[in-house]
Amino acid sequence: QSALTQPASVSGSPGQSITISCTGTSSDVGGYNYVSWYQQHPGKAPKLMIYEVSNRPSGVPDRFSGSKSGNTASLTISGLQAEDEADYYCSSYTSSSTPVFGGGTKLTVL
Amino acid sequence: QVQLQESGPGLVKPSQTLSLTCTVSGGSISSGDYYWSWIRQPPGKGLEWIGYIYYSGSTYYNPSLKSRVTISVDTSKNQFSLKLSSVTAADTAVYYCARVKIGLSHDYWGQGTLVTVSS
Repeated sequence: QSALTQPASVSGSPGQSITISCTGTSSDVGGYNYVSWYQQHPGKAPKLMIYEVSNRPSGVPDRFSGSKSGNTASLTISGLQAEDEADYYCSSYTSSSTPVFGGGTKLTVL
Repeated sequence: QVQLQESGPGLVKPSQTLSLTCTVSGGSISSGDYYWSWIRQPPGKGLEWIGYIYYSGSTYYNPSLKSRVTISVDTSKNQFSLKLSSVTAADTAVYYCARVKIGLSHDYWGQGTLVTVSS
């Protein structure tokens, strides 16, 4: 199973909005509404931010939103804050009943 | 609040078997509502899913690691375990255990444990 494709890095200024893309195939992202997004700060475990494409777990700010079109999913962070600076990973259910992760995107808040 | 904690040796010699255990508290592995997963992250790199197990013992493994991986569950201890055989330096990573929801999103994670493969 090949990793999902994410940009290596994105950046934005405080208060701005950014979007991180996650591209797969019809056997994963495009075939199921089971895309998740994780935030990881240095030295910490990943934290689930979005599940089932666009659902937020309890406690995750509504500044974080998810969407999907075809084989590409997206994570949008609006009203960017300094504490949003982290690595972000997408993940999708696959036709093999297994998950696949993206390569990760480093978000820099300028 | 569900908590997961990895435990096991931090140093393993090449060609030996890496063994880790994840202890779950605040919820029962036997509830049947979740799967239980192992994920690893080499230093400075991304996440790699290793495999997951259901309380009944049914397993799914990453095809790239399948020949070397065994995941097992001990419901009496509320634990699940990972064995990775014939390790090399490429298996050096932080190993995480996590709870898996329907749709395979990982909603609770352990803090991770660094395993170094070196002689």
